Amino acid sequence: SQTIHQWPATLVQPVGSPLSLECTVEGTSNPNLYWYRQAAGRGLQLLFYSVGIGQISSEVPQNLSASRPQDRQFILSSKKLLLSDSGFYLCAWRVRGGLNEQFFGPGTRLTVL
Amino acid sequence: AQSVAQPEDQVNVAEGNPLTVKCTYSVSGNPYLFWYVQYPNRGLQFLLKYITGDNLVKGSYGFEAEFNKSQTSFHLKKPSALVSDSALYFCAVRFRSYNTDKLIFGTGTRLQVFP
Repeated sequence: SQTIHQWPATLVQPVGSPLSLECTVEGTSNPNLYWYRQAAGRGLQLLFYSVGIGQISSEVPQNLSASRPQDRQFILSSKKLLLSDSGFYLCAWRVRGGLNEQFFGPGTRLTVL
Repeated sequence: AQSVAQPEDQVNVAEGNPLTVKCTYSVSGNPYLFWYVQYPNRGLQFLLKYITGDNLVKGSYGFEAEFNKSQTSFHLKKPSALVSDSALYFCAVRFRSYNTDKLIFGTGTRLQVFP
């Protein structure tokens, strides 16, 4: 069966520090991968998605970047965090093509102080 | 443009009563619709989806949703609510073009089931 991992689960970082959040998927190949941010426990904002290694699409201009160095690995990064980067970050995957649903990871709670 | 609306920020219902969480959509072409549930500090869990076929879709935990093309709605329902159903619910529609394939989510509806 497929599983999706995210780490760390929680993170507290000072303003101006770098960020690296990691997401990995097991039990599938060539997935579409997605990074979302959820602010204040409500709506989801799609940040990035990827349909293959090295292929990243950005949904909104921001202080963050994403990379996909391996087929089942998706990394969210920042060189200098802002207070507004605080939130709940969710990684998701789905089978490429077809009409399948997305499956979400457990999330990372980021607090920037 | 593809969009999803969840008109209610919160829905309150007594345990044992039926519940409905509303969702309307706007898409070009055939809609592919999804419902997810989120418990506090957790990722989203898939409940059910409509792709084609029967308008009444059955999903996890006793939930079902009714697709209504004329009203462009996909309301989530359950005949008898449980306190444990209290959570945040998201409706989503798939958007696909030549260079993108993603879900567009509604703003979420918080369901509160009272004992």
